[in-house]
Amino acid sequence: EPEVTQTPSHQVTQMGQEVILRCVPISNHLYFYWYRQILGQKVEFLVSFYNNEISEKSEIFDDQFSVERPDGSNFTLKIRSTKLEDSAMYFCASTRGTGVKGYTFGSGTRLTVV
Amino acid sequence: GESVGLHLPTLSVQEGDNSIINCAYSNSASDYFIWYKQESGKGPQFIIDIRSNMDKRQGQRVTVLLNKTVKHLSLQIAATQPGDSAVYFCAEIPSGGTSYGKLTFGQGTILTVHP
Repeated sequence: EPEVTQTPSHQVTQMGQEVILRCVPISNHLYFYWYRQILGQKVEFLVSFYNNEISEKSEIFDDQFSVERPDGSNFTLKIRSTKLEDSAMYFCASTRGTGVKGYTFGSGTRLTVV
Repeated sequence: GESVGLHLPTLSVQEGDNSIINCAYSNSASDYFIWYKQESGKGPQFIIDIRSNMDKRQGQRVTVLLNKTVKHLSLQIAATQPGDSAVYFCAEIPSGGTSYGKLTFGQGTILTVHP
């Protein structure tokens, strides 16, 4: 079964450093998403991406965050200057359309900011 | 406002029992409602969905009920197994508009199944 692949699985970074979280969505999917889950809390939407541009973003997704699809397979989330409160699991997801069918999440990257 | 915190509701059942997990949603304009299962260290995994024009949908060992009058969603798991132990989240997708498949998740319930 096709999978969404995320790397690394765990990243530790110092406060103020830049991090790039990487995702390889399912190959024929067209819509891409990043979500965040702070430990013990619910999953929160960050951003959706379609046709090489951001479709929608939440208020969490401020100027410190950016997304990019640098080639035909990767989808990245960059946090420019990490803060302690950015520590969370970050999930990438992709889907072929905008509905539910085939909406698939990766296993996540655990980001720890120290 | 939203209710978030470090302590999720919990449900403990014996293997073989039926489980019912509940969720209250807020957006009456949502088009789809989905139940996800999240095991430790993994991403949310799709279980079952229901469209807003339905009130019940059955899958393999799972049933989702939607009560739009009180904005309530439930997931019933029949003959619960230890492998069902996980955190269960409900989620909703708004209808149409410019929300490109954005999922809004509920708080989650920790299900523990004892052998």
